[in-house]
Amino acid sequence: AIQMTQSPSSLSASVGDRVTITCRASQGIRNDLGWYQQKPGKAPKVLIYEASSLQSGVPSRFSGSGSGTDFTLTISSLQPEDFATYYCLQDYNYPWTFGQGTKVEIK
Amino acid sequence: QVQLQESGPGLVKPSGTLSLTCDVSGGSISSSNWWSWVRQPPGKGLEWIGEMFHSGSTNYNPSLKSRVTISVDKPKNQFSLKLTSVTAADTAVYYCARVGAVADFFDYWGQGTLVTVSS
Repeated sequence: AIQMTQSPSSLSASVGDRVTITCRASQGIRNDLGWYQQKPGKAPKVLIYEASSLQSGVPSRFSGSGSGTDFTLTISSLQPEDFATYYCLQDYNYPWTFGQGTKVEIK
Repeated sequence: QVQLQESGPGLVKPSGTLSLTCDVSGGSISSSNWWSWVRQPPGKGLEWIGEMFHSGSTNYNPSLKSRVTISVDKPKNQFSLKLTSVTAADTAVYYCARVGAVADFFDYWGQGTLVTVSS
C-alpha cells in the first residue's frame, strides 16, 4: 500500500496567517490526491481534488499543488472556521490511503 | 441534494459481525458513482475500508479483505457493510461516502456512526 506522510502533524497559527501543509507519497501518484477538512464530530469535507482542483463552494483561500510524490495544501489567510484537522488522500491505486492528519490549532 | 445516512447496532460483541447500512437519498445507488465505507477509530485517523459499484463490483482494503463484504440493495437504494470476527481494534466511527463521478474523491458523506466492540 502507498504510504502518505503528512507534515507537520500539528501546528499553531493565528487568524490571517498563511498556512502550508505537505503530504509525501511513498511512490509516484501522478496528481491523484485530494485534501479533506474535518471538524470535531463531523464527517470530512473535500477541499481539493486531483491535487489542485478546488471543489465547488470551497473558499478560494484554499489551494493545492504538487504532482508525483510531493503535494501541498495552502491556506492563504487563515480564518476562524479553518481550525480543524486536514487529511490528504491518494486515489492512485488500491487501497486508497490517507495521511495521518494535520491538526491546525489557534495560536 | 444527495444525502447518506448510516444505521446499525452501536455495540457488537468480540468475534461477532458488524453490520451497517447506508441509506442514499436525493440520488440513485445505480448512478455512475462508486459507494464507499471509511472508518475512524476514536481520536485517530481515517482508513478506507472499500467500495462497491451498483453492478456488484467491489474493491477492498487488503488489511480487511478476508473479513469485509460490501453489497448493494438497489430496490431500497442502499448499500451495506459487513465485517466479521470483530475485535476491539474495529471500534470506530464508520462513514459511508460517495465517490464523485467526474473524479475520484468523496463528494458526499454520511454523518458517521460509532460502533463499539465490547462484551
